[in-house]
Amino acid sequence: SQQGEEDPQALSIQEGENATMNCSYKTSINNLQWYRQNSGRGLVHLILIRSNEREKHSGRLRVTLDTSKKSSSLLITASRAADTASYFCATGGGGATNKLIFGTGTLLAVQP
Amino acid sequence: NAGVTQTPKFRVLKTGQSMTLLCAQDMNHEYMYWYRQDPGMGLRLIHYSVGEGTTAKGEVPDGYNVSRLKKQNFLLGLESAAPSQTSVYFCASSSWQVTNTEAFFGQGTRLTVV
Repeated sequence: SQQGEEDPQALSIQEGENATMNCSYKTSINNLQWYRQNSGRGLVHLILIRSNEREKHSGRLRVTLDTSKKSSSLLITASRAADTASYFCATGGGGATNKLIFGTGTLLAVQP
Repeated sequence: NAGVTQTPKFRVLKTGQSMTLLCAQDMNHEYMYWYRQDPGMGLRLIHYSVGEGTTAKGEVPDGYNVSRLKKQNFLLGLESAAPSQTSVYFCASSSWQVTNTEAFFGQGTRLTVV
């Protein structure tokens, strides 16, 4: 079973616009991570947010975490065509520390 | 700096054949993982290892075996391949507990079982 579910499943925007993706999870977590996957490639780590953090920034990325709602969002500002990829949230299920469980992902298409 | 390297990148098997996927990492990481990725399913954990000589089951371990004889290598074996094992397989490694630090992924192995 999936720990995280991303919403929307697919998103298409124009270059320069902001993209927001959401992730909901089912059980308690220590941390939550976001990964990017370009077509036909492996996953690349973007950011890790700890359960006692509410917001974290990295370049054009902004991640929020609401543990009361068991949800997180990833905002990409001023998107570029190179941001076209699938984005996944990942957590440890039920407090597990050795297993990273991924959601089904959001496919982002940035039109030039 | 190679990171995580998977071999082979592509493979076609006939039902019932066996094969081994090799994952090698050069970052001296303790933890290693095998995932499979299917359309609409995201990534699902097959097996993982928390150190040399250790292995543990993930979400979907049936039909697979693993070995971690050397710290830098994590092997995934299919003893008798089935069409349901057609998938893209990813290996990953991390320096510490994966929920507390980033995981590094290989480029994937696309396996087709006919």
